Amino acid sequence: QSVLTQPPSTSGTPGQRVTISCSGSSSNIGSNTVNWYQQLPGTAPKLLIYSNNQRPSGIPDRFSGSKSGTSASLAISGLQSEDEADYYCAAWDDSLNGYVFGTGTKVTVL
Amino acid sequence: QVQLQESGPGLVKPSQTLSLTCTVSGGSISSGSYYWSWIRQPAGKGLEWIGRIYTSGSTNYNPSLKSRVTISVDTSKSQFSLKLSSVTAADTAVYYCARFSGYHYIDYWGQGTLVTVSS
Repeated sequence: QSVLTQPPSTSGTPGQRVTISCSGSSSNIGSNTVNWYQQLPGTAPKLLIYSNNQRPSGIPDRFSGSKSGTSASLAISGLQSEDEADYYCAAWDDSLNGYVFGTGTKVTVL
Repeated sequence: QVQLQESGPGLVKPSQTLSLTCTVSGGSISSGSYYWSWIRQPAGKGLEWIGRIYTSGSTNYNPSLKSRVTISVDTSKSQFSLKLSSVTAADTAVYYCARFSGYHYIDYWGQGTLVTVSS
């Protein structure tokens, strides 16, 4: 079972801003950086945000990440139809000495 | 551009050992501070990290799978492999290989391969 908790789903209309939360603990988010992955239907996940708030080359600045204490958030501004996907947070866990993923959030564009 | 490709049987019988190989191209498997990792995803469910290996052979495994998992690397072939023993239907999933940076994020993923455990 995942040790990082995300809401199962969220939705918005085109152009809106949506946020996804990721709740962890002192051994993972509290001690290490958070990453976010986007998984479009039927495809492999793709790195969206790394080191809490950094975007890899090619990722639009509509996507932003933040972290505070043992929680993190992903924001998508100017929501577009192609943003409809599953989103996962992830972090290293010092207690488990392993990488943990969030439960995943499905974003629906209405 | 680094590319990863999984290969192996798509069907494994219960109690047997699942074996997959990931071939890395477009970059040296030995260069940089990278680990090489396996992740799986049952149909309709979330991602589960299985483990990772450094080219030195050092490994980290998911504690929930540790007793059944072995990850190895063959730098001469630019490949790393996964073995999961005593499989059950619960191990049916899409298995991804990936490059895991030293800063604890996965920057390259394979396309994934479906492994079904069934008699």
